[in-house]
Amino acid sequence: DSGVTQTPKHLITATGQRVTLRCSPRSGDLSVYWYQQSLDQGLQFLIQYYNGEERAKGNILERFSAQQFPDLHSELNLSSLELGDSALYFCASSVGGQDGGETQYFGPGTRLLVL
Amino acid sequence: ILNVEQSPQSLHVQEGDSTNFTCSFPSSNFYALHWYRWETAKSPEALFVMTLNGDEKKKGRISATLNTKEGYSYLYIKGSQPEDSATYLCAFPSTGNQFYFGTGTSLTVIP
Repeated sequence: DSGVTQTPKHLITATGQRVTLRCSPRSGDLSVYWYQQSLDQGLQFLIQYYNGEERAKGNILERFSAQQFPDLHSELNLSSLELGDSALYFCASSVGGQDGGETQYFGPGTRLLVL
Repeated sequence: ILNVEQSPQSLHVQEGDSTNFTCSFPSSNFYALHWYRWETAKSPEALFVMTLNGDEKKKGRISATLNTKEGYSYLYIKGSQPEDSATYLCAFPSTGNQFYFGTGTSLTVIP
Protein backbone atom coordinates (compact mmCIF):
# COMPACT_ATOMS: atom_id res chain seq x y z
CA ASP A 1 0.00 0.00 0.00
CA SER A 2 1.60 3.25 -1.20
CA GLY A 3 -0.58 5.53 0.90
CA VAL A 4 -2.10 7.15 -2.20
CA THR A 5 -5.83 6.58 -2.55
CA GLN A 6 -7.99 6.88 -5.62
CA THR A 7 -11.73 6.74 -6.01
CA PRO A 8 -13.65 5.24 -7.57
CA LYS A 9 -11.87 1.99 -8.46
CA HIS A 10 -14.08 1.38 -11.46
CA LEU A 11 -16.32 3.64 -13.46
CA ILE A 12 -18.62 2.79 -16.34
CA THR A 13 -20.27 5.60 -18.24
CA ALA A 14 -21.56 6.56 -21.65
CA THR A 15 -20.10 8.66 -24.44
CA GLY A 16 -20.70 12.36 -24.02
CA GLN A 17 -20.81 12.16 -20.24
CA ARG A 18 -18.56 13.81 -17.67
CA VAL A 19 -16.80 12.10 -14.76
CA THR A 20 -14.57 13.13 -11.89
CA LEU A 21 -11.72 11.02 -10.60
CA ARG A 22 -10.38 11.72 -7.15
CA CYS A 23 -6.93 11.27 -5.67
CA SER A 24 -5.64 11.74 -2.13
CA PRO A 25 -1.84 11.91 -1.91
CA ARG A 26 0.30 10.41 0.85
CA SER A 27 0.30 12.43 4.02
CA GLY A 28 2.80 15.27 3.63
CA ASP A 29 3.20 14.99 -0.13
CA LEU A 30 2.70 18.26 -1.97
CA SER A 31 2.73 17.03 -5.56
CA VAL A 32 0.11 15.05 -7.42
CA TYR A 33 0.62 13.61 -10.90
CA TRP A 34 -2.01 12.16 -13.21
CA TYR A 35 -1.29 9.44 -15.79
CA GLN A 36 -3.35 7.60 -18.35
CA GLN A 37 -2.76 4.07 -19.54
CA SER A 38 -4.79 3.08 -22.59
CA LEU A 39 -4.88 -0.46 -24.00
CA ASP A 40 -2.65 0.31 -26.92
CA GLN A 41 -0.30 2.77 -25.23
CA GLY A 42 2.10 2.92 -22.34
CA LEU A 43 1.80 5.25 -19.42
CA GLN A 44 1.12 8.80 -20.59
CA PHE A 45 1.80 11.76 -18.33
CA LEU A 46 -1.18 14.11 -18.17
CA ILE A 47 -0.52 16.81 -15.60
CA GLN A 48 1.21 17.64 -12.32
CA TYR A 49 0.11 19.90 -9.49
CA TYR A 50 2.41 21.14 -6.79
CA ASN A 51 0.92 22.68 -3.65
CA GLY A 52 -2.22 23.75 -5.44
CA GLU A 53 -0.59 25.13 -8.58
CA GLU A 54 -0.22 23.52 -11.98
CA ARG A 55 3.46 22.56 -12.32
CA ALA A 56 3.72 20.63 -15.57
CA LYS A 57 1.43 19.66 -18.40
CA GLY A 58 1.72 16.65 -20.68
CA ASN A 59 -0.55 15.26 -23.36
CA ILE A 60 -3.75 16.27 -21.64
CA LEU A 61 -6.76 16.84 -23.89
CA GLU A 62 -8.70 20.09 -23.69
CA ARG A 63 -11.73 18.07 -22.60
CA PHE A 64 -9.79 17.08 -19.49
CA SER A 65 -9.02 19.34 -16.57
CA ALA A 66 -7.58 18.92 -13.12
CA GLN A 67 -7.16 20.83 -9.92
CA GLN A 68 -5.55 20.42 -6.54
CA PHE A 69 -7.43 21.64 -3.51
CA PRO A 70 -6.11 23.32 -0.32
CA ASP A 71 -6.16 19.95 1.49
CA LEU A 72 -3.93 18.71 -1.39
CA HIS A 73 -6.32 16.17 -2.79
CA SER A 74 -6.76 16.36 -6.54
CA GLU A 75 -9.53 15.77 -9.01
CA LEU A 76 -9.29 14.93 -12.69
CA ASN A 77 -12.37 15.93 -14.66
CA LEU A 78 -13.04 14.23 -17.98
CA SER A 79 -15.84 15.64 -20.10
CA SER A 80 -17.51 14.88 -23.44
CA LEU A 81 -16.23 11.37 -23.03
CA GLU A 82 -15.34 9.29 -26.06
CA LEU A 83 -14.81 5.57 -26.43
CA GLY A 84 -11.08 6.19 -26.70
CA ASP A 85 -10.99 7.69 -23.22
CA SER A 86 -11.46 4.23 -21.77
CA ALA A 87 -8.28 3.63 -19.82
CA LEU A 88 -6.68 3.13 -16.46
CA TYR A 89 -6.02 6.47 -14.78
CA PHE A 90 -3.32 6.61 -12.14
CA CYS A 91 -2.47 9.30 -9.73
CA ALA A 92 0.91 9.49 -8.02
CA SER A 93 2.30 11.76 -5.34
CA SER A 94 5.71 12.94 -4.22
CA VAL A 95 7.01 14.95 -1.30
CA GLY A 96 8.15 17.90 -3.38
CA GLY A 97 7.98 18.03 -7.11
CA GLN A 98 9.64 21.17 -8.28
CA ASP A 99 12.00 19.01 -10.31
CA GLY A 100 11.86 15.56 -11.81
CA GLY A 101 14.08 13.80 -9.31
CA GLU A 102 11.57 12.84 -6.62
CA THR A 103 10.26 9.37 -5.99
CA GLN A 104 6.63 9.06 -7.02
CA TYR A 105 4.18 6.80 -5.21
CA PHE A 106 1.34 5.48 -7.32
CA GLY A 107 -2.24 4.95 -6.29
CA PRO A 108 -4.22 1.84 -7.26
CA GLY A 109 -5.79 3.52 -10.28
CA THR A 110 -9.30 4.13 -11.56
CA ARG A 111 -10.45 2.00 -14.46
CA LEU A 112 -12.76 3.97 -16.73
CA LEU A 113 -14.92 2.28 -19.32
CA VAL A 114 -16.82 4.46 -21.77
CA LEU A 115 -19.62 2.66 -23.61
CA ILE B 1 7.94 14.37 -27.49
CA LEU B 2 11.02 12.62 -26.16
CA ASN B 3 11.95 9.07 -27.08
CA VAL B 4 12.47 6.66 -24.19
CA GLU B 5 13.16 3.13 -25.34
CA GLN B 6 13.43 -0.10 -23.42
CA SER B 7 14.85 -3.39 -24.54
CA PRO B 8 14.14 -6.18 -24.74
CA GLN B 9 10.37 -5.94 -24.87
CA SER B 10 10.06 -9.25 -23.01
CA LEU B 11 12.33 -11.74 -21.37
CA HIS B 12 11.91 -15.28 -20.02
CA VAL B 13 14.58 -16.55 -17.66
CA GLN B 14 14.99 -19.57 -15.43
CA GLU B 15 14.86 -19.19 -11.67
CA GLY B 16 18.35 -18.44 -10.42
CA ASP B 17 19.54 -16.77 -13.63
CA SER B 18 20.79 -13.23 -13.58
CA THR B 19 19.42 -10.83 -16.13
CA ASN B 20 19.58 -7.24 -17.26
CA PHE B 21 17.71 -4.85 -19.46
CA THR B 22 18.18 -1.40 -20.89
CA CYS B 23 16.52 1.98 -20.91
CA SER B 24 17.70 4.52 -23.51
CA PHE B 25 16.90 8.20 -23.18
CA PRO B 26 18.00 11.53 -24.67
CA SER B 27 21.50 12.26 -23.41
CA SER B 28 21.06 16.04 -23.45
CA ASN B 29 19.46 17.96 -20.57
CA PHE B 30 19.53 14.99 -18.23
CA TYR B 31 18.13 15.52 -14.78
CA ALA B 32 16.93 12.14 -13.53
CA LEU B 33 15.79 8.70 -14.59
CA HIS B 34 13.18 6.65 -12.74
CA TRP B 35 12.85 2.85 -12.63
CA TYR B 36 9.56 1.22 -11.65
CA ARG B 37 8.41 -2.33 -11.11
CA TRP B 38 4.85 -3.04 -12.23
CA GLU B 39 3.16 -6.28 -11.32
CA THR B 40 0.01 -7.37 -13.10
CA ALA B 41 -3.16 -5.93 -11.55
CA LYS B 42 -1.15 -3.65 -9.29
CA SER B 43 0.24 -0.13 -9.67
CA PRO B 44 3.80 0.87 -10.53
CA GLU B 45 6.18 0.72 -7.59
CA ALA B 46 9.25 2.95 -7.51
CA LEU B 47 12.57 1.12 -7.52
CA PHE B 48 15.19 3.81 -8.09
CA VAL B 49 15.61 7.44 -9.02
CA MET B 50 18.93 7.85 -10.82
CA THR B 51 20.36 11.36 -10.72
CA LEU B 52 23.44 13.06 -12.17
CA ASN B 53 25.40 12.82 -8.95
CA GLY B 54 24.31 9.31 -8.14
CA ASP B 55 26.30 6.11 -8.18
CA GLU B 56 25.00 2.64 -8.83
CA LYS B 57 21.77 2.05 -6.96
CA LYS B 58 21.01 -1.24 -5.22
CA LYS B 59 17.97 -2.76 -3.56
CA GLY B 60 18.46 -6.36 -2.53
CA ARG B 61 19.15 -8.38 -5.69
CA ILE B 62 18.23 -5.49 -8.01
CA SER B 63 20.69 -2.82 -9.04
CA ALA B 64 20.83 -0.06 -11.64
CA THR B 65 23.60 1.84 -13.38
CA LEU B 66 23.51 5.03 -15.37
CA ASN B 67 25.45 6.45 -18.30
CA THR B 68 24.24 9.99 -18.94
CA LYS B 69 26.84 10.72 -21.62
CA GLU B 70 25.54 7.99 -23.91
CA GLY B 71 21.97 8.07 -22.63
CA TYR B 72 21.27 4.67 -21.13
CA SER B 73 20.60 2.91 -17.86
CA TYR B 74 20.85 -0.79 -17.07
CA LEU B 75 18.72 -2.64 -14.55
CA TYR B 76 20.24 -5.87 -13.23
CA ILE B 77 18.52 -8.64 -11.33
CA LYS B 78 20.80 -11.18 -9.70
CA GLY B 79 19.52 -14.72 -9.08
CA SER B 80 16.01 -14.11 -10.48
CA GLN B 81 13.09 -15.46 -8.47
CA PRO B 82 9.50 -16.07 -9.63
CA GLU B 83 8.37 -13.09 -7.56
CA ASP B 84 10.55 -10.86 -9.75
CA SER B 85 8.14 -11.50 -12.63
CA ALA B 86 6.78 -8.08 -13.55
CA THR B 87 7.09 -5.31 -16.10
CA TYR B 88 9.99 -2.97 -15.46
CA LEU B 89 9.44 0.60 -16.61
CA CYS B 90 11.76 3.54 -16.88
CA ALA B 91 10.65 7.19 -16.97
CA PHE B 92 12.54 10.28 -18.04
CA PRO B 93 11.48 13.75 -16.88
CA SER B 94 12.05 16.52 -19.38
CA THR B 95 13.29 19.97 -18.39
CA GLY B 96 9.65 21.02 -18.19
CA ASN B 97 8.98 18.21 -15.69
CA GLN B 98 6.92 16.21 -18.18
CA PHE B 99 7.48 12.52 -17.65
CA TYR B 100 8.09 10.20 -20.60
CA PHE B 101 7.78 6.48 -19.97
CA GLY B 102 9.29 3.63 -21.92
CA THR B 103 7.02 0.76 -22.95
CA GLY B 104 8.62 -1.54 -20.41
CA THR B 105 10.41 -4.88 -20.29
CA SER B 106 8.17 -7.77 -19.29
CA LEU B 107 10.13 -10.28 -17.22
CA THR B 108 8.91 -13.83 -16.60
CA VAL B 109 10.92 -16.00 -14.24
CA ILE B 110 10.26 -19.70 -14.78
CA PRO B 111 10.49 -21.85 -11.62
